[in-house]
Amino acid sequence: SAVISQKPSRDICQRGTSLTIQCQVDSQVTMMFWYRQQPGQSLTLIATANQGSEATYESGFVIDKFPISRPNLTFSTLTVSNMSPEDSSIYLCSVWGEMNTEAFFGQGTRLTVV
Amino acid sequence: GNSVTQMEGPVTLSEEAFLTINCTYTATGYPSLFWYVQYPGEGLQLLLKATKADDKGSNKGFEATYRKETTSFHLEKGSVQVSDSAVYFCALRGGADGLTFGKGTHLIIQP
Repeated sequence: SAVISQKPSRDICQRGTSLTIQCQVDSQVTMMFWYRQQPGQSLTLIATANQGSEATYESGFVIDKFPISRPNLTFSTLTVSNMSPEDSSIYLCSVWGEMNTEAFFGQGTRLTVV
Repeated sequence: GNSVTQMEGPVTLSEEAFLTINCTYTATGYPSLFWYVQYPGEGLQLLLKATKADDKGSNKGFEATYRKETTSFHLEKGSVQVSDSAVYFCALRGGADGLTFGKGTHLIIQP
């Protein structure tokens, strides 16, 4: 299994500002994933973060809006930049377990932009 | 691209009723299929999975069978309990390593 700690758990931010979300895993993993869950919607993959290389973004998501860092094999950050109310969502970090058959998720960061 | 369609809720049942939550998918190749559950106030956790056609995943009385001919992975439970009240997500893992999720089904079990 994998235990994921995500911070902050929630925040209320002013539009135009940025928020950085941290994700810490209790084991070394090659890939870390960031998802967004908009109110009443499904989880959507934002990007895949590999240590030592640029993150890979899914269609509809760009690095300028969601810059990602991956400084080592247990840690990643996602920044939500220049926020607007449409960015109000739950953001989740995820990794695959060591058997690569089950994905584990952090508790999520509930972001409200006012 | 990949997609998952599941019945939307809320689904309200009485305790001990039979549960079916439908899930169908579109994917190239042979995806792995999952059901994740989110209990109130908790994080997302794996309920069951199946990695190839005709596999049956099971856990906590829930079952789902990977049906390639109908591209489906319906979730069933013979007798639900109040403690099963949660949001259930069907998901697939295709060629890439991220998951594609359905919209989630909010299940409410009344005593």
